[in-house]
Amino acid sequence: KNQVEQSPQSLIILEGKNCTLQCNYTVSPFSNLRWYKQDTGRGPVSLTIMTFSENTKSNGRYTATLDADTKQSSLHITASQLSDSASYICVSEAAGNKLTFGGGTRVLVKP
Amino acid sequence: DAGITQSPRHKVTETGTPVTLRCHQTENHRYMYWYRQDPGHGLRLIHYSYGVKDTDKGEVSDGYSVSRSKTEDFLLTLESATSSQTSVYFCAISLSGGPGNTIYFGEGSWLTVV
Repeated sequence: KNQVEQSPQSLIILEGKNCTLQCNYTVSPFSNLRWYKQDTGRGPVSLTIMTFSENTKSNGRYTATLDADTKQSSLHITASQLSDSASYICVSEAAGNKLTFGGGTRVLVKP
Repeated sequence: DAGITQSPRHKVTETGTPVTLRCHQTENHRYMYWYRQDPGHGLRLIHYSYGVKDTDKGEVSDGYSVSRSKTEDFLLTLESATSSQTSVYFCAISLSGGPGNTIYFGEGSWLTVV
């Protein structure tokens, strides 16, 4: 069964600090890995999409990494801002365009 | 914004009543999707459409039906709402169904079945 596990479930960081979110997936055959940001009460917004051959991809202060061998991905937020407070969702895609969504990590940035 | 409008945005309905959620897009994307999001679960696919009148089931399709009579509109119907269908429903669109295609989500419809 395809699964995506994210950790931690939630975290609190101070404005200006960095943080890293983790994602472990068991998806076969693997196609690509996505990260979404979801503000409270809003729909998810795509941050990055990485194929199995990509190790890293950035979108502004967001940097995603992928290790297809260990089936792990991380999302690093640099110099956090209050607007980074949101849930971050890891999504794995299997061949055949089948998406499996993780439960998300809720990030709260405090001033 | 991805040009997706969901309606209604909030609805409270009684058990056993029919409910229809509407998704309207202005992007002329071929693929449209309905997901539900519940605490403790990731987003789960209910149904999707790959063209006018072309639809298929997702992983949690029981109790739901869909219709797509125009490219821009995708309707989700709960024939007889149950409390287990209380959820947040998201419509999504993508230009193609190929691997790595970007999927854009609407703002969500909050449905409470009492």
